[in-house]
Amino acid sequence: GQNIDQPTEMTATEGAIVQINCTYQTSGFNGLFWYQQHAGEAPTFLSYNVLDGLEEKGRFSSFLSRSKGYSYLLLKELQMKDSASYLCAVNEGNNRLAFGKGNQVVVIP
Amino acid sequence: DGGITQSPKYLFRKEGQNVTLSCEQNLNHDAMYWYRQDPGQGLRLIYYSQIVNDFQKGDIAEGYSVSREKKESFPLTVTSAQKNPTAFYLCASSLQGSDEQYFGPGTRLTVT
Repeated sequence: GQNIDQPTEMTATEGAIVQINCTYQTSGFNGLFWYQQHAGEAPTFLSYNVLDGLEEKGRFSSFLSRSKGYSYLLLKELQMKDSASYLCAVNEGNNRLAFGKGNQVVVIP
Repeated sequence: DGGITQSPKYLFRKEGQNVTLSCEQNLNHDAMYWYRQDPGQGLRLIYYSQIVNDFQKGDIAEGYSVSREKKESFPLTVTSAQKNPTAFYLCASSLQGSDEQYFGPGTRLTVT
């Protein structure tokens, strides 16, 4: 079975930093994706972590701890356009991804 | 321009009718996927295909059918057997051996 848990919603102020957590228990693990999805649109790729540690890419960073079944996405210098749902997805192998429910981030001025 | 297209963006059907959602990609990707997304829910895998003329059921395949006659195309049919078909449907594709999936723009299906 699979269990991927994310908080449902958070609000943050423009310019702030927000951390979105994801915990997982899955039958297989080959890596963890973070996607951004604006309402009514397709998810777009943000990051992919295979090994433990922090991966930094501009304003976005993603962290993985495989022993703890835990990842987080860090968004810095928040902008209004960052208001979106952030999806955590575990690569279970065989090209299959298992998605969490997504965390809705609302950025306010 | 390379990418994945889904059409139409919005689709309305009466209950009891079958409906086919189109998904086309010109990325030369081997694998293609269909997901369903409901409000407040994550993406759930309906069917996937790793190669032409072959496909596997995902987690919620009941009431759906697919075909993969061409590498570029992976149409999804929502049959009348699907109890709650109203949802946002997303198609994705990936290269064999690559884990990243690229998504189409989605089709919002409303059945009344």
